[in-house]
Amino acid sequence: EVQMVESGGGLVQPGGSLRLSCAASAFTFTTYWMTWVRQAPGKGLEWVANIKQDGSEKHYVDSVKGRFTISRDNAKTSLYLHMNSLRAEDTAVYFCARLRFSYGSGYYRYYMDVWGKGTTVTVSS
Amino acid sequence: QSVLTQPPSVSAAPGQKVTISCSGSSSNIGNNYVSWYQQLPGTAPKLLIYDNNNRPSGIPDRFSGSKSGTSATLGITGLQTGDEADYYCGTWDSSLSAGVFGGGTKLTVL
Repeated sequence: EVQMVESGGGLVQPGGSLRLSCAASAFTFTTYWMTWVRQAPGKGLEWVANIKQDGSEKHYVDSVKGRFTISRDNAKTSLYLHMNSLRAEDTAVYFCARLRFSYGSGYYRYYMDVWGKGTTVTVSS
Repeated sequence: QSVLTQPPSVSAAPGQKVTISCSGSSSNIGNNYVSWYQQLPGTAPKLLIYDNNNRPSGIPDRFSGSKSGTSATLGITGLQTGDEADYYCGTWDSSLSAGVFGGGTKLTVL
């Protein structure tokens, strides 16, 4: 069964750092883009970052640029999110997901077809 | 404020049909494929529709998607109490170079 399992969430003080991990299994990890999506308490989904199959291309939502870094280790079939200078507004459940992302015939094809259960990050003093 | 606009809530009786709209612009819905996700209470989102109108394996044909111009619509027929969930549309925004979601629509099956 295709699966993603996130870990690394927890309570951190404002200005602190945290590294989230996502262990992927039962699919060829190296052939997929991957993504992080977050959901603040009682709020909707917010896309955070994407990374290409070989790590050569990355995209970030403006609110995390310069503070968060997405990375992957294809040998370990794992995805990471390094979060620095954390703020209260980063408090959320963070989901990793397998991403279908391609461009052709003038259109972008973009959707998340398998999601993990999420890990909770709380930024508070 | 979300880039894509959805109604906050919709409701209908069991067995009835409901539609959920998603409005965007030429830089997102107008020129890219749309997907839809279902999030049951306390769970992770699940892909319902991809590439505007395609259902992944295992998604019943009660769920359908369509797109016209800069708007997309999710349709659900034969409503069941188990369909009560939050529904989100999503796509890529070519101008922002960012993934974007709608604000979500809470479906209540009365």
